[in-house]
Formats: sequence, C-alpha cells, structure tokens
Amino acid sequence: QLQLQESGPGLVKPSETLSLTCTVSGGSISSSSYYWGWIRQPPGKGLEWIGSIYYSGSTYYNPSLKSRVTISVDTSKNQFSLKLSSVTAADTAVYYCASTILTGPHNWFDPWGQGTLVTVSS
Amino acid sequence: QSVLTQPPSASGTPGQRVTISCSGSSSNIGSNTVNWYQQLPGTAPKLLIYSNNQRPSGVPDRFSGSKSGTSASLAISGLQSEDEADYYCAAWDDSLNGHVVFGGGTKLTVL
Repeated sequence: QLQLQESGPGLVKPSETLSLTCTVSGGSISSSSYYWGWIRQPPGKGLEWIGSIYYSGSTYYNPSLKSRVTISVDTSKNQFSLKLSSVTAADTAVYYCASTILTGPHNWFDPWGQGTLVTVSS
Repeated sequence: QSVLTQPPSASGTPGQRVTISCSGSSSNIGSNTVNWYQQLPGTAPKLLIYSNNQRPSGVPDRFSGSKSGTSASLAISGLQSEDEADYYCAAWDDSLNGHVVFGGGTKLTVL
C-alpha cells in the first residue's frame, strides 16, 4: 500500500525558494500507473493544485504558479520534489503530496501524505 | 475564486440525506470525470468518490456521486456525526494545456 511523506523546512523567508520532498514507500515511483502531485491549502482556505509529474519527467503545472514552480523526480531515491521560488506570505500553506491517477478524462489523488506546514516569514 | 463552484456550507440531522453540488464548465466537468474528497478536521484530504460515481475500497455506500452535463453532486444518506467535514470536488480542466481544478469546499455540519 502506497504511503507518502512530505519533508522540508517549516519556515522560509520572503523572496526565497521553498523546497519540499515527498518520499514514496510501499511502491515504486517509476510505476507506469501513477503521476505524483503537489497540492497546497492556506490556513482556513481550500485546496489548490500546484502540479504533477510522471516518473519520466513529464509535468503539468497550475497556470497561475507555473512561472515559479519546478517539480522533479528522483527515481533512485523514490522521491519527488517541489521548488517554489520568490515566495511571499501568500504561499504560507500546508503542502500535501499525493499519488495521482491521470489518464484520459480521469484524474484523482489517492493516497495523500499527511501534509507539512510551510510558513513564509522573515 | 475557485473554478468549480460549491456551496460554502451544508447541514443536516443524523439519518438525513444531504447533497452537495459542484458546478463547472465544458472544459472541466463537461469533458472530464469528477472526484470528491473528504477532509476531516485537522487531517489530510481523503478520496471519497472518483470517476463521478466510484467509491474506493472502504468508503461506505452511504456516499454516492453523480454527474450531469457541467454539474456534479455528492449525496450522503443516513447522515452520521462522523460525516462532519469539509468536502471538495475536483476535475481535470482541458484549458491552458491541462490542469486540475478544485471547488472551494463545502463545510458539512451535522446538527
């Protein structure tokens, strides 16, 4: 059974780059069945998709974040990572990683990691 | 403002049936399947319904989903106190090279 765990700094300074890693266990990140995604949730607000990546490196990004986002995959470590540049207080959120089914008209996230709170503050 | 529109709140008494709506457009719900997530207080979201009306293993059959045109609905029958949570709809959107869109979420209160 797949399990995902986010890790990374809980505090990032404004204008710097937020970096998080998601470690996948219970399965291979190189599986042809899955994409791997990042979703965030500002405190007290709703969910926002950030982007998704396939093990081959193919990516989809949220158009509103695309200029600041890079998602990469490390198959040797069974991990994928998120970098978000030039952060502001508006990027303060709980960041979730998730396994993603993305095929044709179908796209869903399951399972999710437990989430990690990242605060942007000086 | 979210691309998919949900009512911000819903409520019901134990045993009742409640529905939560999700409205989109031809580029998202109209072209792709809808998924629903349940987020209990202080926890990560959990997949509740996928591909419009499919329940993952372990999800009670009290939960059901449907889609018609550019709208979708989540129905919860036999409402229980543990169903009190936030519910989000989501779908793939074919515009702008493709991306995922979420609804703003509906907070369900069990009275």
